[in-house]
Amino acid sequence: AQKITQTQPGMFVQEKEAVTLDCTYDTSDQSYGLFWYKQPSSGEMIFLIYQGSYDEQNATEGRYSLNFQKARKSANLVISASQLGDSAMYFCAASRSAAGNKLTFGGGTRVLVKP
Amino acid sequence: GAGVSQTPSNKVTEKGKYVELRCDPISGHTALYWYRQSLGQGPEFLIYFQGTGAADDSGLPNDRFFAVRPEGSVSTLKIQRTERGDSAVYLCASSQDGQETQYFGPGTRLLVL
Repeated sequence: AQKITQTQPGMFVQEKEAVTLDCTYDTSDQSYGLFWYKQPSSGEMIFLIYQGSYDEQNATEGRYSLNFQKARKSANLVISASQLGDSAMYFCAASRSAAGNKLTFGGGTRVLVKP
Repeated sequence: GAGVSQTPSNKVTEKGKYVELRCDPISGHTALYWYRQSLGQGPEFLIYFQGTGAADDSGLPNDRFFAVRPEGSVSTLKIQRTERGDSAVYLCASSQDGQETQYFGPGTRLLVL
């Protein structure tokens, strides 16, 4: 079984600044995937970024980067140059590395970007 | 291209009634997933289809919940004898064959009165 922990229930960030969202995971799997999703108030889960457990380089997608520290079992999301549209819930998730495996989600972090 | 679509977007029903929630995955995606998200929580897995068959239904909470995908595309989640505790957002996701990333639909908000 996998467990995802997001310890920050909510955060404020100033527009144009960077913000780091914490995520730690617990898994007995040797091969796994880590994901971040954004959920605006509209409710849809938007895929942001993926990191495979055997990837040596941290994943990056535009303004999003995943700070993967395997020994510490952490997969923090960094959003650079925050925009007002980044205000949303952010969920960290994990799955066993293979297609068709269910995602296990954390409890989420709410981010509010201040102008 | 079109994303995952779900209908209805909102459903209000009375305790004890039967409901059906529909999911239309991204064209060509063979894998389809259902999740349930209660207020203030992350989504929880319900069931996964590969093609027409349910490959993993370990997340279904009880036998009132059932899902089908008869032609390997559209899926329907069926809830019998609804209870107030079934109130939640039901999310559907799909993924390409061989890929791990799942793409979600907008969800169906179910309210059981």
